[in-house]
Amino acid sequence: NAGVTQTPKFRVLKTGQSMTLLCAQDMNHEYMYWYRQDPGMGLRLIHYSVGEGTTAKGEVPDGYNVSRLKKQNFLLGLESAAPSQTSVYFCASSPGQVYSPLHFGNGTRLTVT
Amino acid sequence: RKEVEQDPGPFNVPEGATVAFNCTYSNSASQSFFWYRQDCRKEPKLLMSVYSSGNEDGRFTAQLNRASQYISLLIRDSKLSDSATYLCVVGPYNKLIFGAGTRLAVHP
Repeated sequence: NAGVTQTPKFRVLKTGQSMTLLCAQDMNHEYMYWYRQDPGMGLRLIHYSVGEGTTAKGEVPDGYNVSRLKKQNFLLGLESAAPSQTSVYFCASSPGQVYSPLHFGNGTRLTVT
Repeated sequence: RKEVEQDPGPFNVPEGATVAFNCTYSNSASQSFFWYRQDCRKEPKLLMSVYSSGNEDGRFTAQLNRASQYISLLIRDSKLSDSATYLCVVGPYNKLIFGAGTRLAVHP
């Protein structure tokens, strides 16, 4: 029972490079989320999805794109990485009901130099 | 104003103490309320959901006050293992927003 799996766990990029973070869940959850966490701050919502084929902007969407082509996968893309995107990225999923909590992946530590 | 705001930390308390955290939110349409704990920048882990009538889980008690738009967490008989950052999470369930977190340090 893997739950929520994020790949990769660590990545170093140079400014201007692109990359995609993958989140996969095996719990048949409808809702999926991408958050970032910076030192001294809580998790901030980047984008989320309420079902296959849908995406929506969160609190800090600029510089990121997402896709949810399959229900179990939620991809986060950085088209042109910037040092301000150095952060820890967490993916989460939820059944999407009032008392349903978020289930998190282990996180991806991204450094942009 | 931030959508979700928490007490600033850190809270430094001795073992056995009772400590309370508050969290205010601005979106009156919020339906979902949770407390999570986070250790050393690892993934957040669910501590407890917060129900309208309030709820208790062992040493932990959570309350919701919709009129004043805040939730609270009470920890009784603090243990060393309770040292962590406590995050409140509020929102409509399609857009859950985290507070910045309150750090708790329990010392012998």
